[in-house]
Amino acid sequence: GEDVEQSLFLSVREGDSSVINCTYTDSSSTYLYWYKQEPGAGLQLLTYIFSNMDMKQDQRLTVLLNKKDKHLSLRIADTQTGDSAIYFCAESGGSGAGSYQLTFGKGTKLSVIP
Amino acid sequence: DTGVSQDPRHKITKRGQNVTFRCDPISEHNRLYWYRQTLGQGPEFLTYFQNEAQLEKSRLLSDRFSAERPKGSFSTLEIQRTEQGDSAMYLCASSLDRGTSPLHFGNGTRLTVT
Repeated sequence: GEDVEQSLFLSVREGDSSVINCTYTDSSSTYLYWYKQEPGAGLQLLTYIFSNMDMKQDQRLTVLLNKKDKHLSLRIADTQTGDSAIYFCAESGGSGAGSYQLTFGKGTKLSVIP
Repeated sequence: DTGVSQDPRHKITKRGQNVTFRCDPISEHNRLYWYRQTLGQGPEFLTYFQNEAQLEKSRLLSDRFSAERPKGSFSTLEIQRTEQGDSAMYLCASSLDRGTSPLHFGNGTRLTVT
């Protein structure tokens, strides 16, 4: 079945860049997503990328997709203390599954040191 | 705020009791989803509605669980005869009726079964 893997922890200093990595197994994934979850809250959609794209940039966020290696990364430039949260990578199903059944990784907890 | 709304935010119940959660999706969204998130894990898909029709159910959704969306707007998720293993965050999400439409999540209902 589909699997999404992420490292569990990342610690960076305020003002540095953060890079959160994710690998997935489903080669028919159509969309890949990054969500942010703060303590006790739901998931906030940060950005998503279609599988035929290599890169997407949105203000401080840059998503890179290497479809051959099934590797996705999220770079946060000028990381702030408010970026401290858990970041989830998710992929949507391929043909026939639609966008509804997302498979999530376990999340990467980003800690920003002032 | 016109995001996905879930009620209650927290629910504590004794084992064996029934509980019901409510989700109000973003108003123009035809699709509604329920996910479950346990501690230290990413969300897992439970079920999906297109308007009032329940089109997909995960094998995680035992016969003690039932979800409805009677008029294609809000949805309820009921758990009968709760067990301690049901303790989790129950997340609702909604999206437009397009394969490209990302899921927008609510803040979830945290269930604790004692």
